[in-house]
Amino acid sequence: DSGVTQTPKHLITATGQRVTLRCSPRSGDLSVYWYQQSLDQGLQFLIQYYNGEERAKGNILERFSAQQFPDLHSELNLSSLELGDSALYFCASSVDFGTSGLSTDTQYFGPGTRLTVL
Amino acid sequence: AQKVTQAQTEISVVEKEDVTLDCVYETRDTTYYLFWYKQPPSGELVFLIRRNSFDEQNEISGRYSWNFQKSTSSFNFTITASQVVDSAVYFCALSRGSTLGRLYFGRGTQLTVWP
Repeated sequence: DSGVTQTPKHLITATGQRVTLRCSPRSGDLSVYWYQQSLDQGLQFLIQYYNGEERAKGNILERFSAQQFPDLHSELNLSSLELGDSALYFCASSVDFGTSGLSTDTQYFGPGTRLTVL
Repeated sequence: AQKVTQAQTEISVVEKEDVTLDCVYETRDTTYYLFWYKQPPSGELVFLIRRNSFDEQNEISGRYSWNFQKSTSSFNFTITASQVVDSAVYFCALSRGSTLGRLYFGRGTQLTVWP
């Protein structure tokens, strides 16, 4: 058990709908990362938050958004869902993005949310 | 640009065989970090090891060992005396030594260990 929790574990919805995925980082971790795992694209970085602020963006669609709350939990919002959005969505956390500006911290992953869009 | 290549898509071995999973990376950074993660059939991603670019010392942890060679930009993972429980997808990943902590993943190697 990595200490990172994600809910729900499974989500089945229809095209055009909107869903919210939730992540609670490990105790003490300030950084949260979201990744998407699909057969086509593999594991792709979506977005990173550090202590409530957006830190980095990857290949995140405009239909997707995220935020990190004061209690450090994070939510990933996916809207206008398409069939191609079906994937496993992971959240990871680390203590911070590193001291002295260096990224040294290991990311620990949650169990993932499997999204199926029908 | 950062890139991680795991050329072996699938590997099958019989229990007790040794197996090496290859990982080749590309980066222009002088400071970077390399990782291996394991994804068992249950789906979660389990951290195995992290190495930084300044430390080329090989590491052994039980039946697992890692060989980091900067000269060939490789970070290979060997499982000695494989077991059925080692069956999983193994991912190699790279993180830049900058303020960005994102991981660049390879496509993974599916390892199947037969009894």
